[in-house]
Amino acid sequence: EPEVTQTPSHQVTQMGQEVILRCVPISNHLYFYWYRQILGQKVEFLVSFYNNEISEKSEIFDDQFSVERPDGSNFTLKIRSTKLEDSAMYFCASSAADGYQETQYFGPGTRLLVL
Amino acid sequence: ELKVEQNPLFLSMQEGKNYTIYCNYSTTSDRLYWYRQDPGKSLESLFVLLSNGAVKQEGRLMASLDTKARLSTLHITAAVHDLSATYFCAVAETSGSRLTFGEGTQLTVNP
Repeated sequence: EPEVTQTPSHQVTQMGQEVILRCVPISNHLYFYWYRQILGQKVEFLVSFYNNEISEKSEIFDDQFSVERPDGSNFTLKIRSTKLEDSAMYFCASSAADGYQETQYFGPGTRLLVL
Repeated sequence: ELKVEQNPLFLSMQEGKNYTIYCNYSTTSDRLYWYRQDPGKSLESLFVLLSNGAVKQEGRLMASLDTKARLSTLHITAAVHDLSATYFCAVAETSGSRLTFGEGTQLTVNP
């Protein structure tokens, strides 16, 4: 069964450093998303991407964040200068969203720890 | 701003019992999602409900959607220990749009 994959599974970084989180969405999906979950809390939306551009973003997704689809398969989230409060589990998701297949499938996540 | 509220937030139940988790949301939407999350793991899709009156069942779990009441329920029948997890509902306003999640219901099924 196709699945969303993410790398790395864990990342430890120093405050102020840049990190890039990588995702490979399901191959025939057109909508891609990043969410995050601070430990013990609910899942929060960051950004969605469709047709090679951002379609929605939340107030969390400020100028420190960016997304890219550098080739036909990868989808990346970059945090330019990490803060302590960026420590969280980051999930990538993808969806066909064709009116029939509406499920958003989540990857295994990247646990980011900012020291 | 779309709000999604679940209750209860914590649920401890005995094996063999039935219970219902409720999910209320604040906007008109006919797209309601239920996910399961085990500790330290990702979100596993359980159900996607796409119309008023939709009902879906998988094993001991049944989900329904009442868009007029802006309410979805996740009913657990004859709970078993393996159902212990956190259950999230989430709402999307349109096809392809962001999911707004509830706080989650942490379910513990005791032998």
